[in-house]
Amino acid sequence: GNSVTQMEGPVTLSEEAFLTINCTYTATGYPSLFWYVQYPGEGLQLLLKATKADDKGSNKGFEATYRKETTSFHLEKGSVQVSDSAVYFCALSDTGFQKLVFGTGTRLLVSP
Amino acid sequence: DAGITQSPRHKVTETGTPVTLRCHQTENHRYMYWYRQDPGHGLRLIHYSYGVKDTDKGEVSDGYSVSRSKTEDFLLTLESATSSQTSVYFCAISEGRAAYNEQFFGPGTRLTVL
Repeated sequence: GNSVTQMEGPVTLSEEAFLTINCTYTATGYPSLFWYVQYPGEGLQLLLKATKADDKGSNKGFEATYRKETTSFHLEKGSVQVSDSAVYFCALSDTGFQKLVFGTGTRLLVSP
Repeated sequence: DAGITQSPRHKVTETGTPVTLRCHQTENHRYMYWYRQDPGHGLRLIHYSYGVKDTDKGEVSDGYSVSRSKTEDFLLTLESATSSQTSVYFCAISEGRAAYNEQFFGPGTRLTVL
């Protein structure tokens, strides 16, 4: 079956540090890949997505590249801010129907 | 922001009682979903709907039922709540069924079953 594995947190960084959150997946078809972010007390919102191999999704300084050869979709940001503190979820949706499979989430804590 | 509301936002109930959670959308999206969020599990799909009166089971559907009598409303019912159903429940909507479609999430309902 389909699954998503992402690094456990929390990830603790100082402001302006470089961020990487690893995500790998297993899928039977050709999935679309997503990063969702959850700020405290809120629902999830889409951060970025990629729909085919070698696509790069980007938004608000975050980037992730769909790597089919390594089945990965790692999230990166060059300089984090305190306001980026949140829980980040990697997810996939396989071909045929829009049903998301989520990773367990990674909490990011950024200190001033 | 997508127009999705969930009610109630918080609920405490006792084991064995029925509970209904409501998701209401103003976007006229055809597809609606119920997830539960638990530590160490991320979000898991409970049920989903692809139109009025059209629903199907997700990954963790045991102990839950759903109904959708109108496009805008998707109800999740716990017929007899158990402590294992203590969780945060999220509703989501999407415009299309393709894998690349974004899902928009509601603010969540925190349910505690004592």
